[in-house]
Amino acid sequence: EIVLTQSPDFLSVTPKEKVTITCRASQSVGTSLHWYQQKAGQSPKLLIKYASQSFSGVPSRFSGSGSGTDFTLTINSLEAEDAATFYCHQSSSLPWTFGQGTKVEIK
Amino acid sequence: EVQVVESGGGLVQPGGSLRLSCAASGFTFSSYTMNWVRQAPGKGLEWISYITSSSTAIYYADSVKGRFTVSRDNAKNSLYLQMNSLRDDDTAVYYCARGSNWLDPWGQGTLVTVSS
Repeated sequence: EIVLTQSPDFLSVTPKEKVTITCRASQSVGTSLHWYQQKAGQSPKLLIKYASQSFSGVPSRFSGSGSGTDFTLTINSLEAEDAATFYCHQSSSLPWTFGQGTKVEIK
Repeated sequence: EVQVVESGGGLVQPGGSLRLSCAASGFTFSSYTMNWVRQAPGKGLEWISYITSSSTAIYYADSVKGRFTVSRDNAKNSLYLQMNSLRDDDTAVYYCARGSNWLDPWGQGTLVTVSS
């Protein structure tokens, strides 16, 4: 089973700051790595697919990069509505796995 | 609108059974792989099952293998999860989600509580 480790677990940031969340895989997943945002009380929503491809309708301040074992989700100029928990997910091999989540709080 | 809607959750005793349903609309259900993902209260996401468009390939997480059975009825645009021998640690919100790589859309989830 591929283990995904996100860092940090928690972030408290002010609006307009730049946020960087990393996801490290225990073995290579190529670019089969996806990012989701889950706001409190809601279901997860896809942000980035295949490591760096923005999903339709997602604001351009969200971007992803990486391949192999190291990946990054970047939020440029954080907005108050971005408060959420963010998860990475690998679909390279079964069982599919998720990172433990990174909670982003707005100061 | 492309959407999936889960139903069937509730309170069940340990050792009991429950059947979840997921109704799809707004897309050609029969063309897509579907999944079940769960989230225990206050915890992260756990993928539990995957079924291809024509049910030719089915996979389970070890945590549910032998107890849960996924199925689909393409004529009814519906996905199902039969859960048997339920345990306390199966308590979670259960989501269905479309996709053979990334997952989108997700439903709103249905809560399953296993407790005596």
